[in-house]
Amino acid sequence: RKEVEQDPGPFNVPEGATVAFNCTYSNSASQSFFWYRQDCRKEPKLLMSVYSSGNEDGRFTAQLNRASQYISLLIRDSKLSDSATYLCVVNRANAGKSTFGDGTTLTVKP
Amino acid sequence: GAVVSQHPSRVICKSGTSVKIECRSLDFQATTMFWYRQFPKQSLMLMATSNEGSKATYEQGVEKDKFLINHASLTLSTLTVTSAHPEDSSFYICSAQDKRGVDSPLHFGNGTRLTVT
Repeated sequence: RKEVEQDPGPFNVPEGATVAFNCTYSNSASQSFFWYRQDCRKEPKLLMSVYSSGNEDGRFTAQLNRASQYISLLIRDSKLSDSATYLCVVNRANAGKSTFGDGTTLTVKP
Repeated sequence: GAVVSQHPSRVICKSGTSVKIECRSLDFQATTMFWYRQFPKQSLMLMATSNEGSKATYEQGVEKDKFLINHASLTLSTLTVTSAHPEDSSFYICSAQDKRGVDSPLHFGNGTRLTVT
């Protein structure tokens, strides 16, 4: 079993839809969590950090559930420009490196 | 925000030659940088962890003699693909964390697209 798992999708949604992605992690010592987006043939870019109390940035909401060991990303009012692959990244103290999910692909259609 | 610069962004070379890729943290010091490779429509694959002033830590299956990593300063790590072959053609990306370490996000360079002919 992978340490960080994501539903690969693809998620195909119409403009204006609300879509949610989950990411589960297996190591309870995981300490910090992030969502990135990666556009085709580009580097990953930080979308948002995920805090225990949940956090929101415009149309994006991230949540962390430590008991169930998952994080989520909710996108409201989807735009065509939201089409990308969304990567879940987990940091664990003393691991020396971050662990990536394989990404969830989102396509927003007109 | 933190900026990581990677150069070159694109390189085409002949089989058998070596290619050096630079990764610089522009506005913060990075004791650790990471090198990844990504093939089309596949996930990022961590190749190695680059540690300032010491040897890099390579992931299983990555040849350290083929992918030479040097992290000579707190703001620069280099990856040299030696004796490149067409199968080394890929998208190479570096990343760095600032001194907060595990609580800080990774900042990625803009990647280097290597094509070996």
